[in-house]
Amino acid sequence: GENVEQHPSTLSVQEGDSAVIKCTYSDSASNYFPWYKQELGKRPQLIIDIRSNVGEKKDQRIAVTLNKTAKHFSLHITETQPEDSAVYFCAASRNTGKLIFGQGTTLQVKP
Amino acid sequence: DGGITQSPKYLFRKEGQNVTLSCEQNLNHDAMYWYRQDPGQGLRLIYYSQIVNDFQKGDIAEGYSVSREKKESFPLTVTSAQKNPTAFYLCASSYHFGQGGAYEQYFGPGTRLTVT
Repeated sequence: GENVEQHPSTLSVQEGDSAVIKCTYSDSASNYFPWYKQELGKRPQLIIDIRSNVGEKKDQRIAVTLNKTAKHFSLHITETQPEDSAVYFCAASRNTGKLIFGQGTTLQVKP
Repeated sequence: DGGITQSPKYLFRKEGQNVTLSCEQNLNHDAMYWYRQDPGQGLRLIYYSQIVNDFQKGDIAEGYSVSREKKESFPLTVTSAQKNPTAFYLCASSYHFGQGGAYEQYFGPGTRLTVT
């Protein structure tokens, strides 16, 4: 069935360093790949998304890359700040609206 | 934090009782979703609905039921048949998917259900 694997499960970086989270999906028909950030006790919020007709997308300190051949996509956060500390989820979807989520990565940015 | 609301924020029930979680949105979204989140795990889809009076089972629908009588509302009932109902429940909504694929899902604040 459809599956999204996310790594690492936890990530600790020093403030100012970069962080990279990787996801692999199984359904080759997937064409929409969002990333959500969830702070403790709060709702997930979309931070960036990418569609299958694009290889890379950037928004200030956040970027996402997509490799359709290898079926993986990655989130890159540069110049990390303590407020970037949260759980990050990747997801994949085909033309159904149904999102398949990865297991999440807990990012800790140490001041 | 408007747009999509869930109530209550915390809910406590005794084992064997059915309980209904509320989800309302005023974003004019066609599609609505229910997810379950357990500690240290991702979001698992329970049910989703793309239009009024229609809904589909997600990956973990057993022990749950939903209705979609109005576009704005998508209540979830956790029945006594659900073996491990204690969890954080998140509702979401989005525009109906188009030719370009899915759209962003907006999440509600969640309901934390504890069953003892």
